[in-house]
Amino acid sequence: AQSVTQLDSQVPVFEEAPVELRCNYSSSVSVYLFWYVQYPNQGLQLLLKYLSGSTLVESINGFEAEFNKSQTSFHLRKPSVHISDTAEYFCAVSYNDYKLSFGAGTTVTVRA
Amino acid sequence: DAGVIQSPRHEVTEMGQEVTLRCKPISGHNSLFWYRQTMMRGLELLIYFNNNVPIDDSGMPEDRFSAKMPNASFSTLKIQPSEPRDSAVYFCASSFGGGGGNTIYFGEGSWLTVV
Repeated sequence: AQSVTQLDSQVPVFEEAPVELRCNYSSSVSVYLFWYVQYPNQGLQLLLKYLSGSTLVESINGFEAEFNKSQTSFHLRKPSVHISDTAEYFCAVSYNDYKLSFGAGTTVTVRA
Repeated sequence: DAGVIQSPRHEVTEMGQEVTLRCKPISGHNSLFWYRQTMMRGLELLIYFNNNVPIDDSGMPEDRFSAKMPNASFSTLKIQPSEPRDSAVYFCASSFGGGGGNTIYFGEGSWLTVV
């Protein structure tokens, strides 16, 4: 069965500091990888995704994630966070079908 | 463009009552999903429709739960009778295509509390 492990459940960080959210998945076969963000009291929104090609993918608001096949990882990073980045972040993986397996989520709290 | 629209946003109901959650997917999308989010179990896929046909309902917890998609622009998730353990956020989501790389778009959720 597919599984996604987000290694940190809570990440407190100061404003303008860097942040890294770790994600590992269980299989080394071809995968599609996603990061979704959930702001308080809202639904999930796609942040970025990896389908193929360049292993480094970026979002429009400064996040990036790197696909590492050998380590089966897809860690999310941002060099300088803002208060507005406070949210829960979900890593997800799918294979060649509709099923999207989500990690347990990482809550990022940005403090001034 | 309108996203996935869910109603009600919040519902508080008494144990034993029937609950109906509604969803309008994004126009043109042919895949529809119902997810449930709880603190204990995280995000769980309840049911997946493709072209209005239920493809995978293996995540539906028990017979008290049912889902329908009578047409491409409407789906319902019904709980009858409801129980306190059904308290959760229920998300409807849609995508174009059912393949693995498609982006799934989520609604804002229906926050259900059963007392």
